[in-house]
Amino acid sequence: QQPVQSPQAVILREGEDAVINCSSSKALYSVHWYRQKHGEAPVFLMILLKGGEQKGHEKISASFNEKKQQSSLYLTASQLSYSGTYFCGTETMGSTGGGNKLTFGTGTQLKVEL
Amino acid sequence: DSGVTQTPKHLITATGQRVTLRCSPRSGDLSVYWYQQSLDQGLQFLIQYYNGEERAKGNILERFSAQQFPDLHSELNLSSLELGDSALYFCASSVVGVGSPLHFGNGTRLTVT
Repeated sequence: QQPVQSPQAVILREGEDAVINCSSSKALYSVHWYRQKHGEAPVFLMILLKGGEQKGHEKISASFNEKKQQSSLYLTASQLSYSGTYFCGTETMGSTGGGNKLTFGTGTQLKVEL
Repeated sequence: DSGVTQTPKHLITATGQRVTLRCSPRSGDLSVYWYQQSLDQGLQFLIQYYNGEERAKGNILERFSAQQFPDLHSELNLSSLELGDSALYFCASSVVGVGSPLHFGNGTRLTVT
């Protein structure tokens, strides 16, 4: 089942902050965050694992509430280069075991303006 | 450059035809994923392989099939193509099958006419 992202879209002025939320109805092993610019491939930003481990870029911060199966991505002091579509991906164990099913949300379009 | 190579970049074909999309993962990555992205839509998970074996399946149509070969490259076969199959198909790879970041290729844009 697809995770739910909010908001669907947000417009910021350079330097402003934004929070993007992601929630799932399933028990999660991890939450991933990716950014995709128009016509390009998604790029990995961060992964938050069950148990608290995080891997990702230093300038990106995020949280994962395991009890609520919710994650938030925090974008601070936004820059023009932050523009793009942000996808969260929720990871559950695959039906055949040993693999994972990484399902992406519908995305949040972020535009940063001068 | 993610290190994931997808070929071809573009494919234009007619309804009813069959095509094969190819993906070479990053060096050292054992897991390959396939995703479909229709125009301005999200990423729909199709299937995942780990070291040659299918490990997870999403909403992949019966007309679609995939495999991962001993050299770890993967192919996605799409048959009896319909107009609605037109989309950007991404391959991604990761080191292991669970809890690892995905690295996406640049995608293959399929247009069915």
